Amino acid sequence: IQMTQSPSSLSAFVGDRVTMICRASQDITIGLAWFQQKPGKAPRPLIYDASSLNSGVPSKFSGSGSGTDFTLTITSLQPEDSATYYCLQYRDYPFTFGPGTKVDFK
Amino acid sequence: EVQLVESGGGLVQPGGTLRLSCAASGFTLSDRYMDWVRQAPGKGLEWVGRTENKDRSYTTQYAASVKGRFTISRDDSKNSMYLHMNSLQSGDTAVYYCVRGYFGMDVWGQGTTVTVSS
Repeated sequence: IQMTQSPSSLSAFVGDRVTMICRASQDITIGLAWFQQKPGKAPRPLIYDASSLNSGVPSKFSGSGSGTDFTLTITSLQPEDSATYYCLQYRDYPFTFGPGTKVDFK
Repeated sequence: EVQLVESGGGLVQPGGTLRLSCAASGFTLSDRYMDWVRQAPGKGLEWVGRTENKDRSYTTQYAASVKGRFTISRDDSKNSMYLHMNSLQSGDTAVYYCVRGYFGMDVWGQGTTVTVSS
């Protein structure tokens, strides 16, 4: 299963609401997770099963979608949200990550 | 506190072997699916393989890029998981993460670096 993400990068203002897209090449139902990664750090889990928040993740992060099209939305963007965001399908082996969306500030 | 700590990374020559370890604390490893994920320098994340839990007979699955060269094993007595890597190639140079496969992939280690070079 191939995963694509768009845009590959985006620039926003502090306080903005941003949305990024992840698409699967075939139906993965809700077997999708989102991760945030900052340089030199391990990925941080954000969302599992397409829309459930991992433990300790603030509600400013939300996920939606099912089948082949998924979105991650971040509200009230803050400087600490600058990172690369990856999606992962775990519906079928082999699991596959998307190429990432890099978020920075204008 | 739930924690994963990897060790065993280092510099190895092409064609060589290496064994990575992942020590788990705060939960019972045998109850959970566990994954290895890697990240080459400046690149994205790549799933390497998974070992399912005791109820699933510790069945393993691998990415095509490592199948036949890498093997995942566990030692429940040490609450640890291992990644045995053979026939290493320059393309295997990466940070390797041990990950708990629960609620998606909910706990990650800090990573251990493997460099394949002569």
